[in-house]
Amino acid sequence: DTGVSQDPRHKITKRGQNVTFRCDPISEHNRLYWYRQTLGQGPEFLTYFQNEAQLEKSRLLSDRFSAERPKGSFSTLEIQRTEQGDSAMYLCASSSRDTNNSPLHFGNGTRLTVT
Amino acid sequence: LAKTTQPISMDSYEGQEVNITCSHNNIATNDYITWYQQFPSQGPRFIIQGYKTKVTNEVASLFIPADRKSSTLSLPRVSLSDTAVYYCLVGLYSGAGSYQLTFGKGTKLSVIP
Repeated sequence: DTGVSQDPRHKITKRGQNVTFRCDPISEHNRLYWYRQTLGQGPEFLTYFQNEAQLEKSRLLSDRFSAERPKGSFSTLEIQRTEQGDSAMYLCASSSRDTNNSPLHFGNGTRLTVT
Repeated sequence: LAKTTQPISMDSYEGQEVNITCSHNNIATNDYITWYQQFPSQGPRFIIQGYKTKVTNEVASLFIPADRKSSTLSLPRVSLSDTAVYYCLVGLYSGAGSYQLTFGKGTKLSVIP
């Protein structure tokens, strides 16, 4: 068990550019979550997958955001046409069972700065 | 979207017991309450989880009343390394029937020497 891995740890981009983040969950964890966290706030739910199926997306999630988990293992989160308001820590988590009560195991996040 | 409510911050001296309460009035019947700890520049880390009454592990206790509309995380004899933000997490239904796992705003605990 190597834990949840996120790449890159830091990303600086100019406004209007596209960025993509990767998350590798704990092996055989079938649920994967994306959260966003800004300074001084709690993590905000973005979306989650069960295996390769995307089961829920936050209504707050802009159309510029898209997430995939094509083979039910790693996941990518893409932000198109980045805006300064997208600057945040993007956290990925995974869990092992098909219920909403399984503890989440978080990675250490990707910090995005949009200039 | 229903929310959880926690105190924004708490201070405690080393060696004292700390109790942090989270309110979650709209918790779903089958949902558990889970608490996480977060240090700067790290992802949240699981501390404890419970459904009702009391749960204890090697680092904390969790007290949940019968109506389950709140929960209290208890940290015995805190040390400086317990300085962190603590979040409670429950699954909450929004008004539109959507289901999301939602964190509270967190409680920043500062342990003083």
